Parts: sequence; structure tokens; C-alpha cells
Amino acid sequence: DTGVSQDPRHKITKRGQNVTFRCDPISEHNRLYWYRQTLGQGPEFLTYFQNEAQLEKSRLLSDRFSAERPKGSFSTLEIQRTEQGDSAMYLCASSSLSGPKSQETQYFGPGTRLLVL
Amino acid sequence: DAKTTQPNSMESNEEEPVHLPCNHSTISGTDYIHWYRQLPSQGPEYVIHGLTSNVNNRMASLAIAEDRKSSTLILHRATLRDAAVYYCILRDGAGGTSYGKLTFGQGTILTVHP
Repeated sequence: DTGVSQDPRHKITKRGQNVTFRCDPISEHNRLYWYRQTLGQGPEFLTYFQNEAQLEKSRLLSDRFSAERPKGSFSTLEIQRTEQGDSAMYLCASSSLSGPKSQETQYFGPGTRLLVL
Repeated sequence: DAKTTQPNSMESNEEEPVHLPCNHSTISGTDYIHWYRQLPSQGPEYVIHGLTSNVNNRMASLAIAEDRKSSTLILHRATLRDAAVYYCILRDGAGGTSYGKLTFGQGTILTVHP
């Protein structure tokens, strides 16, 4: 078990381009979360998957953002027509299905740092 | 999830104990207190959590006030590797959904001096 992995670790793109990030959760973790973190701030929730179902989306997730988890394993986060304000660290976390959220431990990946020029 | 208040920053010397405070005056009876930390250039990692009683694990101890309106994360002997941002987060233990996003504040930046 190597933990949550994310790819790429860094991405530089020009405004208006599309980008896609991948997250591989810990195997057999049914829950998967995406967060965004800007400089000096704590992470902010974007969206949540339970298996392949996307159960919650933040208002931060504009229509330019789309996330998928097609087979309930890895997940992708795509940003279309990137803007400079999208520059941030995008973090993925996973956890197991058993137990209530009050006791849940989320395991985070190292993040993908996006810079939009 | 209820709101927490933490100092922006704290400093410590290596091998000395560190007490990181967190105020949560509006905590409800079913809220659990969780701590995560984020080392430089890494994602957050779980540290410890508790409800009412003090808790210990290999990373830290969590001391919870009797009225539960505040708590303290204790690092018994700080090392340079403990330099990180520490986040205190409340998780609702009452019914409803079984999953839950973490609501991070700005946390406390801990600097450890050699």
C-alpha cells in the first residue's frame, strides 16, 4: 500500500487550455474527495464520490470543472478553459466506507500544483 | 461543522513539548474534535481525534477541556519534522450522512527551532 497518489505533481498551462488531473486512492477505499488549496489557506472541499457515484459538489465547482470516478477506483478532475484564478493545489483524499464520518480518517495525496499563466 | 479558532502561528525549540490550542465554543454534544497537520509541500495527514476523554497515540496527545469548548494538541518532544500547519476540525457525530467533507480553517503554523 503506497498511499494516495496524484498525477501530475505539477502542471503549468496557459489560460484557456484544458487540464486533467488523476487521483489513485488507497485500494479498497470507497470514499474519494477532491479539495483545492490556495496559498496561505486551508484546503476547501470540491466534491465527493462514494464508489462511482458523485454525491456532493461544492459551489466552488463551477461548470468548467468536472470530476469522474468511472469504475469506483481512480478519479479524474478536469478543468476546462482554465483561468488564472484556478491556480492552486488540488488535493485528493480517500477513506474507507465503514464507520460514521465523525470517526473517519481521510488520507491525502501529495496534490497537483496548477499554475495558469 | 462548527467553527474553530486557532492562533496563526507558534514557535518551539526542538525536543521541547508543544501545546497547540484550539477554541470551539459552539461545539455540540455530538461533535468530534479532529486534528490534521500539513507538512510543507505535502497533503494534510491525520494526527488524532477525540470526543470527551483525553486521547494518546504515537504522534501526539489530545487534551479536551471538561466543558469541551477548547482542546489542546500536545507534541511531547517537538522535532524539526513536526514543523507544519496544524488544523483543528470538528466533525459532526449526529445522524445524517455517513461521509463528510473536512472544513479546514487557516490552522496554526508551527515553527520548530533547532
